[in-house]
Amino acid sequence: GAVVSQHPSRVICKSGTSVKIECRSLDFQATTMFWYRQFPKKSLMLMATSNEGSKATYEQGVEKDKFLINHASLTLSTLTVTSAHPEDSSFYICSASSTQSSYEQYFGPGTRLTVT
Amino acid sequence: EDQVTQSPEALRLQEGESSSLNCSYTVSGLRGLFWYRQDPGKGPEFLFTLYSAGEEKEKERLKATLTKKESFLHITAPKPEDSATYLCAVQVSPDKLIFGTGTRLQVFP
Repeated sequence: GAVVSQHPSRVICKSGTSVKIECRSLDFQATTMFWYRQFPKKSLMLMATSNEGSKATYEQGVEKDKFLINHASLTLSTLTVTSAHPEDSSFYICSASSTQSSYEQYFGPGTRLTVT
Repeated sequence: EDQVTQSPEALRLQEGESSSLNCSYTVSGLRGLFWYRQDPGKGPEFLFTLYSAGEEKEKERLKATLTKKESFLHITAPKPEDSATYLCAVQVSPDKLIFGTGTRLQVFP
């Protein structure tokens, strides 16, 4: 149980374009979903937290107009990187939690974004 | 400021050589401490949750313990397949985990 998927696993896009990453909880209803960013050999940095049907809460320093988060249902959240630049290249990981799992977070496999 | 520190940054072990990884934390309110395993290019895989000092949990060759200031992940007789980065995270609110930078473990046959 507690499986979270992400799509795509890898994406390459050109500078100035936008890219959407999907995060799905496959076997449970996720009341809260989280988006993290991870640089090589560094730890996970929380970007934003989203609850189903509500606006996302962004961490300090994260541009909400650049990283658009939508949590339209209890099993799906999307992260759209708008007008991507090479410095946005990173490993993006989502996680999901529910009240039934004592707020434990279950992570997706990650999406490697490369902006050329 | 809430802070989580893991040590060592990297650890090389011979197969069968037991050792421990440390996670020390300074947080205003601990709701839970989590251990994850992360393989290269993959998302973290949940291992353990500890909620109170004195608590211990085991899974195969891994055992996690918790005190008021730190947690240890003990690895007994490791195998090469235990090679990974082990992440510690502290839950400070229902919606926030603070991660340490991880310990990269390599186990050689």
